[in-house]
Amino acid sequence: DAGITQSPRYKITETGRQVTLMCHQTWSHSYMFWYRQDLGHGLRLIYYSAAADITDKGEVPDGYVVSRSKTENFPLTLESATRSQTSVYFCASRGRVADTQYFGPGTRLTVL
Amino acid sequence: GQQVMQIPQYQHVQEGEDFTTYCNSSTTLSNIQWYKQRPGGHPVFLIQLVKSGEVKKQKRLTFQFGEAKKNSSLHITATQTTDVGTYFCAVQGGSEKLVFGKGTKLTVNP
Repeated sequence: DAGITQSPRYKITETGRQVTLMCHQTWSHSYMFWYRQDLGHGLRLIYYSAAADITDKGEVPDGYVVSRSKTENFPLTLESATRSQTSVYFCASRGRVADTQYFGPGTRLTVL
Repeated sequence: GQQVMQIPQYQHVQEGEDFTTYCNSSTTLSNIQWYKQRPGGHPVFLIQLVKSGEVKKQKRLTFQFGEAKKNSSLHITATQTTDVGTYFCAVQGGSEKLVFGKGTKLTVNP
C-alpha cells in the first residue's frame, strides 16, 4: 500500500546532529500523526496535525519539531538528536476523527 | 487524559490454543479500534466497535465491546503461526487523538 510513505527507512546519526524524518500521504487525509515505538512503551504520540498549518503536541513532544505546510507532508525534525531518541518512528494519517488510522512502514532511527 | 489498560503484555501459546487480549477503560468509550502489528511491520487496522455489547467476527477472530462500553476483548480461536504479532486496542483520547494500549505480544509455538 503506497498511500503513506516514510523516508528514510533506516537512519544512523550521531548525538547532537539534526535529523528530519519525512512522511508523505496520497489520500489528502486531514489528520497526520507521529508516534515513536519503544519496547515496553507501546506507541507514544509525539505530535499531530489536524490540517495544514495546524499542529499540536502529543504525549512526548520534547526534542522534536514538526511542520505541515502542505496537507500531504508532515516532516518530523530532531533538532539535536540524543541517544534516548533511538526508536522506531511511525507516521500515520486519518481522514476524519473516528476513521481508520493508516500507518506508514516506519523509520528505524539509531542515535550513536 | 484518556488511558486504556491492555492485558496481558505477553502471551505464549501452542499452535491450536486460543488467545485473548483485553482492554479496559475507567471511562465510557465512544468506540474502540483494534490493530495488529506483525514483527518488523507497522500497525494495521483490524476493526472498530461502536455499539454497546457489539460482537464482530473475522474468521477465527472475535471482537467484543462491553455492555458498559468500558472494556473490549479480542479472542483468537485455534491460533496459527500467522497470528504472531502485537495486538493493540486504541480509543479516542479527546476529539482528535487515538490513544493506544501498550499492546499484547503474541507468540505461537508450532
